[in-house]
Amino acid sequence: DAMVIQNPRYQVTQFGKPVTLSCSQTLNHNVMYWYQQKSSQAPKLLFHYYDKDFNNEADTPDNFQSRRPNTSFCFLDIRSPGLGDAAMYLCATSRVGRKETQYFGPGTRLLVL
Amino acid sequence: AQKVTQAQTEISVVEKEDVTLDCVYETRDTTYYLFWYKQPPSGELVFLIRRNSFDEQNEISGRYSWNFQKSTSSFNFTITASQVVDSAVYFCALSEATATDSWGKLQFGAGTQVVVTP
Repeated sequence: DAMVIQNPRYQVTQFGKPVTLSCSQTLNHNVMYWYQQKSSQAPKLLFHYYDKDFNNEADTPDNFQSRRPNTSFCFLDIRSPGLGDAAMYLCATSRVGRKETQYFGPGTRLLVL
Repeated sequence: AQKVTQAQTEISVVEKEDVTLDCVYETRDTTYYLFWYKQPPSGELVFLIRRNSFDEQNEISGRYSWNFQKSTSSFNFTITASQVVDSAVYFCALSEATATDSWGKLQFGAGTQVVVTP
């Protein structure tokens, strides 16, 4: 089945230690998104890629970076995680942006010690 | 300004009861898209439905039904004969066709927690 895959499902890191979360898709969608979701809140868009074009949300901290080496993979790098970065990180994909449905992966729950 | 309002924070029902989740949205676009997603305790956001602004036809899918009313800017969701597996957070979301501030962005409501007890 075509799907969005996120690894790992749970990630524990130490304060200030860089961490990378990965997302892959078999849907052949050209747009990939990263969302941050904190407890009891709605998902918050961090950035998205339309093909190789990177689009950062204005309020996304510089501590968060992303890479998309090819159509199938996208990575979220947190350069120096703080305690406030503990959250669920959701990857989503769509064929085009506004009018197409976004399909989400299972998420990676990040814990910062 | 919040563009999607889900006024109900939590709804608790007993199994087999019907439950209706309210969603009110705000947009100046004439073309827009509305979505409902389900988020069970596992955390994955599961797509349920997408509705285009120019299609006001209501939809039924099994025990799920949606009532879209442009006149009141509402897109409500009803679960008929609820089951324990329906326990989840449900998010309503809006995508505007001509928004230039953030292309591809879903405007989520705050979510409604549904708790179904046996």
